[in-house]
Amino acid sequence: DAGITQSPRHKVTETGTPVTLRCHQTENHRYMYWYRQDPGHGLRLIHYSYGVKDTDKGEVSDGYSVSRSKTEDFLLTLESATSSQTSVYFCAISRTPNTEAFFGQGTRLTVV
Amino acid sequence: KNEVEQSPQNLTAQEGEFITINCSYSVGISALHWLQQHPGGGIVSLFMLSSGKKKHGRLIATINIQEKHSSLHITASHPRDSAVYICAVNSGGSNYKLTFGKGTLLTVNP
Repeated sequence: DAGITQSPRHKVTETGTPVTLRCHQTENHRYMYWYRQDPGHGLRLIHYSYGVKDTDKGEVSDGYSVSRSKTEDFLLTLESATSSQTSVYFCAISRTPNTEAFFGQGTRLTVV
Repeated sequence: KNEVEQSPQNLTAQEGEFITINCSYSVGISALHWLQQHPGGGIVSLFMLSSGKKKHGRLIATINIQEKHSSLHITASHPRDSAVYICAVNSGGSNYKLTFGKGTLLTVNP
């Protein structure tokens, strides 16, 4: 199994609070991604990173920010959580844009 | 219309049956992925293919680039195959973008 760990695995938070999710990899893959998974939708890309300090927006980036200060860590921050951000969040890594992607176990976030 | 369409959305089979899940896409791609997700679980990559056919154990994936269609087959299905199977396409280029289908929920009954 690819070495990719998400933390926390579960979190309940209140509306308006900041939340940070962490994705840690031990594979030294250049590309890292954050997705959200919601019923009735396929996985949707929030943000991705193509190197240290190199990030870009995905299709559902509003309300989210990311940071990547070192190769192994990619952080997703909800600056002020809203109920619409209740979801399961998946991190993924890949060596290049066109190679196999490996996914973390997911983080279930509930905003109340 | 989604760029990636899977069929069926739900599939129930008896143990031992041959299973086929289909994926059609409308964009040019550099690769297609099949992923598996068990209930409450993480996502596992099964195959990545850009042409032809790949086989891993009881799983077979095929792709027809001209027809923009891929199939995932499971031979001799088993209850442990029960999961959501997700098709995703990589449209290529320098910026990574995977577009996902909504998944097919497979239930294999003993």
